[in-house]
Amino acid sequence: EAGVTQSPTHLIKTRGQQVTLRCSPISGHTSVYWYQQALGLGLQFLLWYDEGEERNRGNFPPRFSGRQFPNYSSELNVNALELEDSALYLCASSLVRWSGVSTDTQYFGPGTRLTVL
Amino acid sequence: KNEVEQSPQNLTAQEGEFITINCSYSVGISALHWLQQHPGGGIVSLFMLSSGKKKHGRLIATINIQEKHSSLHITASHPRDSAVYICAVMYSGGGADGLTFGKGTHLIIQP
Repeated sequence: EAGVTQSPTHLIKTRGQQVTLRCSPISGHTSVYWYQQALGLGLQFLLWYDEGEERNRGNFPPRFSGRQFPNYSSELNVNALELEDSALYLCASSLVRWSGVSTDTQYFGPGTRLTVL
Repeated sequence: KNEVEQSPQNLTAQEGEFITINCSYSVGISALHWLQQHPGGGIVSLFMLSSGKKKHGRLIATINIQEKHSSLHITASHPRDSAVYICAVMYSGGGADGLTFGKGTHLIIQP
């Protein structure tokens, strides 16, 4: 069974540009989480999608947005890139029956490393 | 403020030693995860706990809900265990959220 996949693997952008990162969850998983791991800051929760809806977002500005498609794959969009957006962006998926609390194991993808120059 | 604290931050040990990494958190949780991150970024979920103890191979994870504390143990450590180990919690409450992460423990096992 294929794991969580992310594309692209690496990306280099310049300040002010826009970027789209993609994630495909494990087959059958309906929830997709996005996390940012910036140098020196550790992993931080960005966004959670389940059944096509945004369920919650972390403490990030509105220029971080995303969506989940009917096949449960997801995109993370970052507009007006800033230098501090350089980070590893990780996607994780889990099987969640929406009840307000997720207690299922999250499976992580390999990540997309974004460098903003 | 909901925080996840890990200790130690860095740990260097000799092959074969018994390793313990600790994690404490501040408020009630619905689940606690132990994750392993190798150089290059790949993250593997080792355990998800909501109570008691779990064992997988040489890895053991325990959680004490009353004390808001979890430990990850590695028996007969090996250089391939060298990685960053991250504790992450899912806080319970009215709203669902993503995981809140500790800063990680950088483990080096020397041959």
